[in-house]
Amino acid sequence: SAVISQKPSRDICQRGTSLTIQCQVDSQVTMMFWYRQQPGQSLTLIATANQGSEATYESGFVIDKFPISRPNLTFSTLTVSNLSPEDSSIYLCSAKPRHANTEAFFGQGTRLTVV
Amino acid sequence: RKEVEQDPGPFNVPEGATVAFNCTYSNSASQSFFWYRQDCRKEPKLLMSVYSSGNEDGRFTAQLNRASQYISLLIRDSKLSDSATYLCVVNGKGNTGKLIFGQGTTLQVKP
Repeated sequence: SAVISQKPSRDICQRGTSLTIQCQVDSQVTMMFWYRQQPGQSLTLIATANQGSEATYESGFVIDKFPISRPNLTFSTLTVSNLSPEDSSIYLCSAKPRHANTEAFFGQGTRLTVV
Repeated sequence: RKEVEQDPGPFNVPEGATVAFNCTYSNSASQSFFWYRQDCRKEPKLLMSVYSSGNEDGRFTAQLNRASQYISLLIRDSKLSDSATYLCVVNGKGNTGKLIFGQGTTLQVKP
């Protein structure tokens, strides 16, 4: 298993600002992902964070709005840019310690409220 | 059609009851299947993987029917602590490691 530390756990941000969320894994992992979970909904994949290269975004998500970094195997950041109230959600970091078809582990989530 | 579909419930059952959740998936090439549990305001946590032959872990039994693209989770002797949302999860297309989540089924076990 992997222990994932995600911070901040929650934040309240003004419209038009940005929030950067950090995710630290306690062991080297092959894959890291960022999900969004809107109120009352399930998890939607935003992107796969690739080490040392640009993230791979899912349909409906773009780099300008959700820039992602992954400078090494154990750390990634997600920035939610130019915030609007529609961005209020929970954002979750996920990691897979082994090959592609294993289970994923999750950080504790970041609860973002945009006012 | 959603890639992974679940009945959102809620399922309200008394303690000690047996309850079953179902899930269907659209990608016939999917290879990995999981049930996750998510408590209110918490991150999802793996409950159990689902194997082709079916598998059991204590009071929990998971079944996979590849022909029907159907996954089930059976909970026996429900406890109050089983109250949570249960997420059906399937690996995404290709060998990318991505997981696709169903919308979850909410279970409320009552005394």
